[in-house]
Amino acid sequence: EAGVAQSPRYKIIEKRQSVAFWCNPISGHATLYWYQQILGQGPKLLIQFQNNGVVDDSQLPKDRFSAERLKGVDSTLKIQPAKLEDSAVYLCASSLLSGPYRAQYFGPGTRLTVL
Amino acid sequence: SQQGEEDPQALSIQEGENATMNCSYKTSINNLQWYRQNSGRGLVHLILIRSNEREKHSGRLRVTLDTSKKSSSLLITASRAADTASYFCATVFSGPSGGNNRLAFGKGNQVVVIP
Repeated sequence: EAGVAQSPRYKIIEKRQSVAFWCNPISGHATLYWYQQILGQGPKLLIQFQNNGVVDDSQLPKDRFSAERLKGVDSTLKIQPAKLEDSAVYLCASSLLSGPYRAQYFGPGTRLTVL
Repeated sequence: SQQGEEDPQALSIQEGENATMNCSYKTSINNLQWYRQNSGRGLVHLILIRSNEREKHSGRLRVTLDTSKKSSSLLITASRAADTASYFCATVFSGPSGGNNRLAFGKGNQVVVIP
């Protein structure tokens, strides 16, 4: 079974520029998550999708971050404009359903450096 | 905050020894999960323990949960060099929008197993 795919793996941009990350979840997984992991910390949930609908985006900085999952499969996360504090690893995860007892499967992440 | 906090933050042991990590959390949970993260395989789900369970085993892993003390421990027996990684506990509760399976991660334990 193929895992969660993410691209790019690394991205370096200057502050105030825009950047987008792509995620392809495990086939058949209805729930998709985006996390931000700052160096030395645990991942923090940014947004959760159930199919193509947003379930939880309470921790997404909506003035600069946006995400979509138009067809209920792939998803993109965008930052516009980027700030220095956005430097982090952005992880995508998926799970079969949205129930509380489901393990989440994580992709390799995109390491973003904002200069 | 639901975020778990692991103790100790860093642990260095000899191969074959046991490693124990603790995690505390602040509010009632649905379940608690442990994840491992290393550069080779990214963030991987290890084990889930429900709030009505006290102990769970999976291979060389043993997890305990004490809901009265709001704490959990992860024991890795007969450690191997390949166990070198960061270990995160994550608590699960219902998010503000009613979405389930929202994970709140701790800061992680860095474990180094010396061959």
